[in-house]
Amino acid sequence: GQNIDQPTEMTATEGAIVQINCTYQTSGFNGLFWYQQHAGEAPTFLSYNVLDGLEEKGRFSSFLSRSKGYSYLLLKELQMKDSASYLCAVRDGNYQLIWGAGTKLIIKP
Amino acid sequence: GVTQSPTHLIKTRGQQVTLRCSSQSGHNTVSWYQQALGQGPQFIFQYYREEENGRGNFPPRFSGLQFPNDSSELNVNALELDDSALYLCASSHSFTSGGTDTQYFGPGTRLTVL
Repeated sequence: GQNIDQPTEMTATEGAIVQINCTYQTSGFNGLFWYQQHAGEAPTFLSYNVLDGLEEKGRFSSFLSRSKGYSYLLLKELQMKDSASYLCAVRDGNYQLIWGAGTKLIIKP
Repeated sequence: GVTQSPTHLIKTRGQQVTLRCSSQSGHNTVSWYQQALGQGPQFIFQYYREEENGRGNFPPRFSGLQFPNDSSELNVNALELDDSALYLCASSHSFTSGGTDTQYFGPGTRLTVL
């Protein structure tokens, strides 16, 4: 079967750095997405990786290793508004998105 | 952006419901998801140019339509208590049309089945 694993919950301090990991096993691979979802709201697109390496976008960076089936989302200079769930999704060989359950990130002052 | 209606809906078991979505301008693909509390979105189905283009593990009582005017709908018949969830619509511009197929979500419809 296909599955995506992420930690259920993480806690970090305002101003710090946090890394959220995602491992996946899918039938084929055509890209990996990270989305942010605040409670009661829809997911919003953060980043897309299809080749190995690091993609940087302001305070957020995303890394991919296809050979290891592994990605991480790195959040720097954490702000209270970054408290949200972070969803990892993989586009499989049939071009369908397989979603992880999300990582709830709690930011403390 | 992507819009959905209604925002909230309460139905009773056995009833039927229609949820609506208006895609982002220029997008030709719409996907529908069901999201239970604390879970990731579960893929229901996808429509491309008004044809179903993939389906997740949902029974036939979940059906959909996509219209030429960038709108779509999700219909659920014979509602069950477990259908209570947030229903998300996402639109994208497909690879085959030269897009990146990045999905952009609407605000969702919160369905409660009593």
